[in-house]
Amino acid sequence: QSLLTQPPSASATPGQRVTISCSGSRSNIGANPVSWFQHLPGTAPRLLFSTNNQRPSGVPDRFSGSKSDTSASLAISGLQSEDEADYYCATWDNGLHAWVFGGGTKLTVL
Amino acid sequence: EVQVVQSGGGLVQPGGSLRLSCATSGFTFSNYWMNWVRRAPGKGLEWVANINEDGSKIYYVDAVKGRFTISRDNARTSVYLQLNSLRAEDTAIYYCARAMDFWGQGTLVTVSS
Repeated sequence: QSLLTQPPSASATPGQRVTISCSGSRSNIGANPVSWFQHLPGTAPRLLFSTNNQRPSGVPDRFSGSKSDTSASLAISGLQSEDEADYYCATWDNGLHAWVFGGGTKLTVL
Repeated sequence: EVQVVQSGGGLVQPGGSLRLSCATSGFTFSNYWMNWVRRAPGKGLEWVANINEDGSKIYYVDAVKGRFTISRDNARTSVYLQLNSLRAEDTAIYYCARAMDFWGQGTLVTVSS
């Protein structure tokens, strides 16, 4: 059971906007920046957005993230077929002294 | 250009050992925390361990404490993960990541008899 809770799946059609949520607690999301990763099995995970350093160079501005209290979200606008992947939120947990990941959300582009 | 090149991994019997290596270039290695993250078959990403810039702070996920050891060599701009007392549940692709912002391609570790 992950300390960060994400929906297991999400879907939308090309061009639409989709939002993926991530719920945590005061010791993790409530205390630290949240990072979002895109992962296609067999490839290197890719950092999409961090709530402190924002969006790395090369990541389209269609990807954006936000955080409020103990929750965070990733929004993908103008959905494209190549966005079909697994998405993970992650942050440092001050109590565990460990990075914690959400269980992942499999995004399907219909 | 930032590069993270992983080596090591392979098939090992339960109880065996492996050493994973991660050679980096293109950035000032000694300025960054380094991490190891894994993804088991059918599962999500799981953080394994990290080490701070000078090696004085090290953290592990509970599942590997006492069995895995992370280390770094700033002169060689490399980070390592020694895996001992391996179990079937350690089977995964292991990724090396610079400060969680740039990741290697991964190396497969299979623990099976």
